Amino acid sequence: GAVVSQHPSWVICKSGTSVKIECRSLDFQATTMFWYRQFPKQSLMLMATSNEGSKATYEQGVEKDKFLINHASLTLSTLTVTSAHPEDSSFYICSAKRTGRDEQFFGPGTRLTVL
Amino acid sequence: GESVGLHLPTLSVQEGDNSIINCAYSNSASDYFIWYKQESGKGPQFIIDIRSNMDKRQGQRVTVLLNKTVKHLSLQIAATQPGDSAVYFCAENLAEGTGRRALTFGSGTRLQVQP
Repeated sequence: GAVVSQHPSWVICKSGTSVKIECRSLDFQATTMFWYRQFPKQSLMLMATSNEGSKATYEQGVEKDKFLINHASLTLSTLTVTSAHPEDSSFYICSAKRTGRDEQFFGPGTRLTVL
Repeated sequence: GESVGLHLPTLSVQEGDNSIINCAYSNSASDYFIWYKQESGKGPQFIIDIRSNMDKRQGQRVTVLLNKTVKHLSLQIAATQPGDSAVYFCAENLAEGTGRRALTFGSGTRLQVQP
């Protein structure tokens, strides 16, 4: 149990285009999901907290208009990178948290490359 | 906490030896701690967790030690195997119901197991 999937696993896009990444909890309901970004040889940096049915909470320095988060159901959160630029190239990882529990389960990540 | 630097500290051990990976956490109010293993190109994988009312917890081949006095966490891996080679991150969190529920990751340690 407690499987989190992400789609796509990797994506290459042109500068200026938008990319949507999906995060799904496959066998549990997650009222809260988190989006992280990881640059090579660095740790995971929290971008935003996504709560089902409400607006996401963004960390300082993360542009909410650039990284659009939608958490429309208890099993799905999406991150859309709008007008992507090469500096947005990174490994994007989501995690999902069961209601009332501390444990977070991570997805396999999405490698975004912006040309 | 912020991740730092471009070079992960590396611990190199011989197969069969015991490994000890250390982590200093920053928030004295954190009361839930987790160790994750991350292989290249994959999302973090849960290894073991511990709450602040404990100072030691054991799993299969792994032990986590918590010293709240000096805000230090360690992960011990017994009889290290080549498959244990990965980057290991500690993470801290406030327990459910105390507000912030996102994880804060440490900077990571690369474990290299020599056959």
